[in-house]
Amino acid sequence: DVKVTQSSRYLVKRTGEKVFLECVQDMDHENMFWYRQDPGLGLRLIYFSYDVKMKEKGDIPEGYSVSREKKERFSLILESASTNQTSMYLCASSLTLAGGGSPLHFGNGTRLTVT
Amino acid sequence: QQQVKQSPQSLIVQKGGISIINCAYENTAFDYFPWYQQFPGKGPALLIAIRPDVSEKKEGRFTISFNKSAKQFSLHIMDSQPGDSATYFCAASTVNDDKIIFGKGTRLHILP
Repeated sequence: DVKVTQSSRYLVKRTGEKVFLECVQDMDHENMFWYRQDPGLGLRLIYFSYDVKMKEKGDIPEGYSVSREKKERFSLILESASTNQTSMYLCASSLTLAGGGSPLHFGNGTRLTVT
Repeated sequence: QQQVKQSPQSLIVQKGGISIINCAYENTAFDYFPWYQQFPGKGPALLIAIRPDVSEKKEGRFTISFNKSAKQFSLHIMDSQPGDSATYFCAASTVNDDKIIFGKGTRLHILP
């Protein structure tokens, strides 16, 4: 079974702090994704990566950056956290092209609160 | 044109009833339509998916109905059970795309 592990379940940070959210997958998947989930807004794609050191912007990349130095690890970085970044963050991975039928495997999420 | 519109936002169904969630899309290039199920405290997981070469796909109590001309697809849950209470997301993509477009989700509650 594919396992996608997010390092923190809950995180509380102060406005202006630099925040790192870590995600690790154990199935040698090519693609990794970061989504945020907000009530009424569904799942919105922040960034994704289709290979080591490669990244692509999603629908809402502003205020975020990512890092993928190893195939199994994908980090989301909030350079200067703001209160409007309080949200549930979900990491996912897929073996190949998600549109080609390769399922997304999600972690259980990190609930980030910025005060 | 990239949107997937999902309705209703929330749904309450009696145990044993049929739950129906609808989605509509604009982009005629979409050719892969998955549904994801999310339980509280968990990430979403693939439930069932369909391609437009068929009009219906059934897996147990879950059925996707697909209407290509109307650009609509729906999830039917037959004999709904309290354990089906979850948030459901429809999604769409093209075969060569790395990512999929999600609807905004439907919170389903099955009354015991």
